[in-house]
Amino acid sequence: AQKVTQAQTEISVVEKEDVTLDCVYETRDTTYYLFWYKQPPSGELVFLIRRNSFDEQNEISGRYSWNFQKSTSSFNFTITASQVVDSAVYFCALSGLGGTSYGKLTFGQGTILTVHP
Amino acid sequence: DAGVTQSPTHLIKTRGQQVTLRCSPKSGHDTVSWYQQALGQGPQFIFQYYEEEERQRGNFPDRFSGHQFPNYSSELNVNALLLGDSALYLCASSFLPGGYMNTEAFFGQGTRLTVV
Repeated sequence: AQKVTQAQTEISVVEKEDVTLDCVYETRDTTYYLFWYKQPPSGELVFLIRRNSFDEQNEISGRYSWNFQKSTSSFNFTITASQVVDSAVYFCALSGLGGTSYGKLTFGQGTILTVHP
Repeated sequence: DAGVTQSPTHLIKTRGQQVTLRCSPKSGHDTVSWYQQALGQGPQFIFQYYEEEERQRGNFPDRFSGHQFPNYSSELNVNALLLGDSALYLCASSFLPGGYMNTEAFFGQGTRLTVV
């Protein structure tokens, strides 16, 4: 069975602060994908990043960066110099590439990020 | 290019009734997945359709059924509605060439179902 845990239920920061969202996962699959999605109040899940289990390189995209550590089964997400527009619910998700986990996303409970001006 | 579109956006039904939700995938996508998101929770996978067949199913009762049409659009049907079925229902589309998910799933804005 697959499981994704986002230990932080809510985070509140002041604009321009850096913030890190934690994600820990469990899977028996040897190959898998990890994702981060953002859900604004409109409800639509917006794709941010996908990382496959073979690629442990960290990635930076503008103010966003991701730290994937297979040894600790973690895939953390950092927003640098946060902005009010970053306020949303953020979900970490996992998808296997084989068997019953193929093609379906297992989501964490989400982290509510509020950025105050 | 239209993304994933879902209809209706909001729906109120009475316990025991049946409901049908609709989803049109993003252009070029051939796979549709449905998720249920209860308030304050992460989305839960219901099932996935590819080539008009259900290829994966989550832990949902048979009251939840679906269909995919030749144009790749999809319907989610829920029978004998319970109060606990109240949730945001999200549709996601993706492209699975050769059976491998090498694209991210694009989500619609969802249908907010309230059962009273």
